[in-house]
Amino acid sequence: EVQLVESGGGLAQPGRSLRLSCTTSGFNFDDKAMSWFRQAPGNRPEWVAFIRSKTFGGTAEYAASVKGRFTISRDDSKSVAYLQMDSLKTEDTGMYYCTPPPWFDPWGQGTLVIVSS
Amino acid sequence: DVVMTQSPLSLPVTLGQPASISCSSSQSLVYSDGNTYLNWFQQRPGQSPRRLIYQVSNRDSGVPDRFSGSGSGTEFTLKITKVEAEDVAVYYCMQATHWPPTFGQGTRLEIK
Repeated sequence: EVQLVESGGGLAQPGRSLRLSCTTSGFNFDDKAMSWFRQAPGNRPEWVAFIRSKTFGGTAEYAASVKGRFTISRDDSKSVAYLQMDSLKTEDTGMYYCTPPPWFDPWGQGTLVIVSS
Repeated sequence: DVVMTQSPLSLPVTLGQPASISCSSSQSLVYSDGNTYLNWFQQRPGQSPRRLIYQVSNRDSGVPDRFSGSGSGTEFTLKITKVEAEDVAVYYCMQATHWPPTFGQGTRLEIK
């Protein structure tokens, strides 16, 4: 069974950093790309970042709203994807989910990030 | 980015009655391989999104057959034949044909 478990969320002040983890099991992680989405309270999910598998260069793409502040990475030996979030803003508040493209199924339970002073 | 527009945004339904949600996209969702990457997700209160339908009309494993998807090009529909209490949720359409993937605003289904 494919499982994804997000962790690392919490309360952070504006300008500070958090690192999220997406721990996976049940599939060949190193063959898969991975995406992060976020969902602010009452809003639709929004794509945040994407990383290709090493086979396709392991390169990353970012939403304009986080480019230059967030960094997605992967550790294939641990089947984990990361989202390093620097220079946090209040508008980064929300639930963060990981899910593998292109099928975007399944999603983890999410990890909550609150950016507030 | 492709804009996804859903209607209605709120859908009160009597138990046992049908429900229908529409979704339109700002450009065709037919990919160069001929497939249409339009998904439907269900998000129950306090839960993460769950994919119900992929590629317009294919039900995911474990999804009751009262859910069905249809459509083509830029117009798509999710139908529930007989609404049950467990169907209370927000439903989202999501396109994965064009990068980045984008969601509709969501339709909140409630029991009347």
